[in-house]
Amino acid sequence: IAGITQAPTSQILAAGRRMTLRCTQDMRHNAMYWYRQDLGLGLRLIHYSNTAGTTGKGEVPDGYSVSRANTDDFPLTLASAVPSQTSVYFCASSDSGGRAPYNEQFFGPGTRLTVL
Amino acid sequence: AQSVAQPEDQVNVAEGNPLTVKCTYSVSGNPYLFWYVQYPNRGLQFLLKYITGDNLVKGSYGFEAEFNKSQTSFHLKKPSALVSDSALYFCAVRETRSASKIIFGSGTRLSIRP
Repeated sequence: IAGITQAPTSQILAAGRRMTLRCTQDMRHNAMYWYRQDLGLGLRLIHYSNTAGTTGKGEVPDGYSVSRANTDDFPLTLASAVPSQTSVYFCASSDSGGRAPYNEQFFGPGTRLTVL
Repeated sequence: AQSVAQPEDQVNVAEGNPLTVKCTYSVSGNPYLFWYVQYPNRGLQFLLKYITGDNLVKGSYGFEAEFNKSQTSFHLKKPSALVSDSALYFCAVRETRSASKIIFGSGTRLSIRP
């Protein structure tokens, strides 16, 4: 069982380019999340999805979009990357959402993104 | 608005000594509280959680945490630190009324010296 996979592992991107970070889970979790991790700021929620077909905005959604066409995949798109989006991005999933909000999250290994 | 504070950026402890990593929270309703650990170049791993009931929660790797409602705290503890416990620790809170809104603290780097 792989858990959660993310791709790419790292990427250097020119400002203004479009970029999609991929996230796939094989645990059949209903809820999925995207976070960015910046030094001194901890993890900040970008977008989430409680179930396939639905998405919601987190704490820092501007400049990012997501889709949830099926249970397993939750891609994050930067339509036009800016240097302030340089960060480490983590995808997570949980068997929770509205049904069991106390269940813990499982995290992917992360994508290190540098926007120049 | 809910929030989590980890007042110490770094905690240094000698191996074999007890350790405490502090966390305080603010929510308008009842909280679900979590601790996660992050090793270098890895994603976060779940350690333990408080849902309800006994205020002392036991988790992975010998860690435990004590929920204190009056002080709105959820400090992480371990009786005897190991060098391998050195990592970045995150406290998180989820308000029971809003399952999607989980807030993470800024993290505390734990360094255990031999």
